[in-house]
Amino acid sequence: EAGVVQSPRYKIIEKKQPVAFWCNPISGHNTLYWYLQNLGQGPELLIRYENEEAVDDSQLPKDRFSAERLKGVDSTLKIQPAELGDSAVYLCASSLDARQETQYFGPGTRLLVL
Amino acid sequence: SQQGEEDPQALSIQEGENATMNCSYKTSINNLQWYRQNSGRGLVHLILIRSNEREKHSGRLRVTLDTSKKSSSLLITASRAADTASYFCATPSTGSARQLTFGSGTQLTVLP
Repeated sequence: EAGVVQSPRYKIIEKKQPVAFWCNPISGHNTLYWYLQNLGQGPELLIRYENEEAVDDSQLPKDRFSAERLKGVDSTLKIQPAELGDSAVYLCASSLDARQETQYFGPGTRLLVL
Repeated sequence: SQQGEEDPQALSIQEGENATMNCSYKTSINNLQWYRQNSGRGLVHLILIRSNEREKHSGRLRVTLDTSKKSSSLLITASRAADTASYFCATPSTGSARQLTFGSGTQLTVLP
């Protein structure tokens, strides 16, 4: 069974530029999560989807961050414009549904904003 | 805000020794999970322990949970160089049982 797929794995951009990250969850997983992980820290939730509905986006900085999961499968996280402080690893995870406690993580996208 | 906090922040041991990591949390929980993260990779689920369990084993892993002290420990026995990774505890968020809150992790280094 394929795991959670994320692309790109690495991205270097200049500040004020836009950037987008893509995630393909495990097949059949209805719940999808985007996390931000700073160096030396644990992941922090940005947004959670149940199918195509964003059910918790309270931690998403909505002035510059946006996300979508149009068909309830793949998801895209966008930052526009990027700031120096956005440099971090962006992790995507999925679970079968909201009742399943275990989450399955992708390898992450490492973003460097110059 | 972070619910769980791991201790120590970093641990270095020799191959074959046991490694113990601790996690403390603030509010009542119904389960606690441990995850491992190898450098440059995503997190991998190791084990889940429920609030009505005191101890759980999985291979060389032993997890304990003390709800009265709001703490958990992860013991890795007979460590190997491949166990070198960051280990995180995760608890359901206070605001939403469907979210996980992760601690800042313990960086374990196993020297060959």
